[in-house]
Amino acid sequence: GEDVEQSLFLSVREGDSSVINCTYTDSSSTYLYWYKQEPGAGLQLLTYIFSNMDMKQDQRLTVLLNKKDKHLSLRIADTQTGDSAIYFCANYGGATNKLIFGTGTLLAVQP
Amino acid sequence: GAGVSQSPSNKVTEKGKDVELRCDPISGHTALYWYRQSLGQGLEFLIYFQGNSAPDKSGLPSDRFSAERTGGSVSTLTIQRTQQEDSAVYLCASSSYGMPEQYFGPGTRLTVT
Repeated sequence: GEDVEQSLFLSVREGDSSVINCTYTDSSSTYLYWYKQEPGAGLQLLTYIFSNMDMKQDQRLTVLLNKKDKHLSLRIADTQTGDSAIYFCANYGGATNKLIFGTGTLLAVQP
Repeated sequence: GAGVSQSPSNKVTEKGKDVELRCDPISGHTALYWYRQSLGQGLEFLIYFQGNSAPDKSGLPSDRFSAERTGGSVSTLTIQRTQQEDSAVYLCASSSYGMPEQYFGPGTRLTVT
């Protein structure tokens, strides 16, 4: 079945790079996404990648996709305290009309 | 421009009562989605509307849940005879036809007492 998994927690120091990882099972995924959720807020779309790409860079964000291993990562360069949030990986495509979300990774940035 | 809006932002209701949650998608977006976020289940898909096509209701957890989309724009999610396990944040998202970006509203926090 469809499944998206993430580690639950990541702690980094301000100024370091953060890498959040995600694995998924649906090989027919056409798009993979990263969303950010701050406390009490909705989901903010950070970036997405089409499944025939292996990398996408957008300012401080770098997404890497290993389609063979069904592994997605989000790298945040020069992590700031404002980056502290929960990050959700999601996939879309195949026979479904929905996003399948991971459990979310809580990123804590220490000053 | 304006994003997805939802109302109310918070709703407290007694068990057994019906509730209606509203979503205003981004203007011009033909696709509208409802998701639910709860501690036990994470983020779950509920229902999807695309234009005038029949909605994909495959994520609705029971027949107490229903949704409408009038005029291809505003959507209402109705929960009848609410139960405590319905307590969650209900999120709405919209997207433009053929485009992969789904934009989410701020959500409605539903608490069933």
